[in-house]
Amino acid sequence: EVQLVESGGGAVQPGGSLRLSCAASGFTLSDHYMDWVRQAPGKGLEWVGRTRNKAKSYTTEYAASVKGRFTISRDNSENSLYLQMNSLKTEDTAVYYCTRRTSSGDGGYYFDYWGQGTLVTVSS
Amino acid sequence: QSVLTQPPSLSASPGQKVTISCSGSSSNIGNNYVSWYQQLPGTAPKLLIYDNDRRPSGIPDRFSGSRSDTSATLGITGLQTGDEADYYCETWDSSLNVVVFGGGTKLTVL
Repeated sequence: EVQLVESGGGAVQPGGSLRLSCAASGFTLSDHYMDWVRQAPGKGLEWVGRTRNKAKSYTTEYAASVKGRFTISRDNSENSLYLQMNSLKTEDTAVYYCTRRTSSGDGGYYFDYWGQGTLVTVSS
Repeated sequence: QSVLTQPPSLSASPGQKVTISCSGSSSNIGNNYVSWYQQLPGTAPKLLIYDNDRRPSGIPDRFSGSRSDTSATLGITGLQTGDEADYYCETWDSSLNVVVFGGGTKLTVL
């Protein structure tokens, strides 16, 4: 059974840093793109960024709103995904979801598994 | 302001049919597959539809998806009170090189 379990959320002051973790199980992490998606309180979903799979050399991409401040990494041997968040702003307050992105084989991609989310609150 | 436009809210009665629209452009919906997600209150999103019109195993055939030009539609028939949730469309934007979501549609079944 595929499971994604996030941890590391909490309260931090503006300008601070936080590292989120996502423990993956039930599948081979290196075979999959892994993304982070966030949701501010009462708002919609916002894509944060991704790390591609082994075949794509684990390259990363980020949303403009977090580029240069957030870094996605993975440890396939530990079956873990990470989101390092630096220079945090109040607008980064959100629930952060770890998601698995899967290819349908016909050119389509979709988020087929989501973690339960971890809340990050940036406030002074 | 979301790249993909959805109606903020819809309401319908149990047993009825509802459609949720998702409008985009040639750089996203027009040339990339669309997925739909259901988010029940207090829970993580769940995949409902992928590749415009395919259902993952376990998703009832009351849920359907379609795409035409730069718009996509999620259909739900035989509405149940348990379908009350937020629904999001999602795709890749080839110009922005990012994943984009619709703003979400809050469905009320009353």
